[in-house]
Amino acid sequence: GAGVSQSPRYKVAKRGQDVALRCDPISGHVSLFWYQQALGQGPEFLTYFQNEAQLDKSGLPSDRFFAERPEGSVSTLKIQRTQQEDSAVYLCASSFGGSLLSEQFFGPGTRLTVL
Amino acid sequence: EDQVTQSPEALRLQEGESSSLNCSYTVSGLRGLFWYRQDPGKGPEFLFTLYSAGEEKEKERLKATLTKKESFLHITAPKPEDSATYLCAVRGETSGSRLTFGEGTQLTVNP
Repeated sequence: GAGVSQSPRYKVAKRGQDVALRCDPISGHVSLFWYQQALGQGPEFLTYFQNEAQLDKSGLPSDRFFAERPEGSVSTLKIQRTQQEDSAVYLCASSFGGSLLSEQFFGPGTRLTVL
Repeated sequence: EDQVTQSPEALRLQEGESSSLNCSYTVSGLRGLFWYRQDPGKGPEFLFTLYSAGEEKEKERLKATLTKKESFLHITAPKPEDSATYLCAVRGETSGSRLTFGEGTQLTVNP
């Protein structure tokens, strides 16, 4: 596809369940970012990959959050033992080069609801 | 810590009624200020990057300007299709890979 895709688009989990959110970046894009967006708020940075290397995970809110990008393309954000406060839209973005000033292309997001 | 404050939170305009959105920021050594547009149920869409005070960029009915403390997004003769949430974000010299967003301004343009 031409843009960043994310799946699933919607996910409902019971408190305590593990979830995995997938991001397919634009082909050839080196940089990949994950953000968390609460209702009515701006996106908040979670983590950054350059190819397969996770260079910054300072935004991950707890050790229940884990992200990987093993082959430098598709990325997965995993949340273990989900809590109600994890309910949010999770956005993935990619950019062409390694420059952090490059335009970021965002996917549509995955809306996670934890009951 | 980088901070971004956007105002107003919400703005209603009549079609053709020009206005401006404000983004005030605090950052150590600005590397870039970014404007994005976000439609409901979609991810943000890139509009502009501004790098230094005095810089201006235009795209159709939108014009972004930058000073040392704030940025304005001017909307000239808006149309209903300009209705969206407009997000401002900054990256500074000590931000690392982190892009810090404001909470956005929700713009509604009535026909």
